[in-house]
Amino acid sequence: DTGVSQDPRHKITKRGQNVTFRCDPISEHNRLYWYRQTLGQGPEFLTYFQNEAQLEKSRLLSDRFSAERPKGSFSTLEIQRTEQGDSAMYLCASSLALLGGSTEAFFGQGTRLTVV
Amino acid sequence: SQQGEEDPQALSIQEGENATMNCSYKTSINNLQWYRQNSGRGLVHLILIRSNEREKHSGRLRVTLDTSKKSSSLLITASRAADTASYFCAPQETSGSRLTFGEGTQLTVNP
Repeated sequence: DTGVSQDPRHKITKRGQNVTFRCDPISEHNRLYWYRQTLGQGPEFLTYFQNEAQLEKSRLLSDRFSAERPKGSFSTLEIQRTEQGDSAMYLCASSLALLGGSTEAFFGQGTRLTVV
Repeated sequence: SQQGEEDPQALSIQEGENATMNCSYKTSINNLQWYRQNSGRGLVHLILIRSNEREKHSGRLRVTLDTSKKSSSLLITASRAADTASYFCAPQETSGSRLTFGEGTQLTVNP
C-alpha cells in the first residue's frame, strides 16, 4: 500500500461546470476525511466517513458539495456549478478508528482546483 | 469546534538552532497530532500524543502535552534547512472524530 492517493492532482474548470474528485484511502482504514485548504490557511474540515456512513458534515459546506463512499473504500467529492471561490486544494485523509479513539490520519497529496 | 491554535504564526531561525512551536486548544481531547506541510504539498504526519501521555520523542522531534493547561509544544532540535515548512497541530476531541487545524506556524530555517 502506497498511502492515500487522490485523483486528479490538478483540475482547471470553467465556472458553472461540475467537478468530481476521487480519494483512495489506505486499505485497512475505516475512516476517511475531506478538507479544503486555501493559500496561507490551515486545512478546513468538510466532512468525514466511517466505513460508508457520512457521520459529519461541516455547516460551511454548501448544497453544491456532495461526498460519497459507497462501499466503504474509495470516496468521491463532487462540486456542482463551481464558483471562483471554490478554487482551493482539496485534501483527503484516512485513519483507523478503534474503540478507544483513532490512529493518526494520513493525508494524500491533494487535488488543486482552479475555477476560471 | 475544537481547533488547535498555533503560536507563533511565523518563526525564522538559523540552521542548527532549536525551534519551538506551541499549540493551544479548548476542550477535552483523545489525542493531539502534529503535521508538517511543505508549500503546495499534502500534510505529513509527524507525531501523535495521547491524552494520558506527557511527552513523546521521534528523532529530532519532542512533543509535550499539558492537558491541565490545554496546550502542547513541538520542539525541533538542531534544525535543518529542509525543516522549512508550515507546522500544524490538530487536537482530536473526545466527543467527536474530526481533526481541526489552526492557521499553523510557518517555520523558516536559514542555511
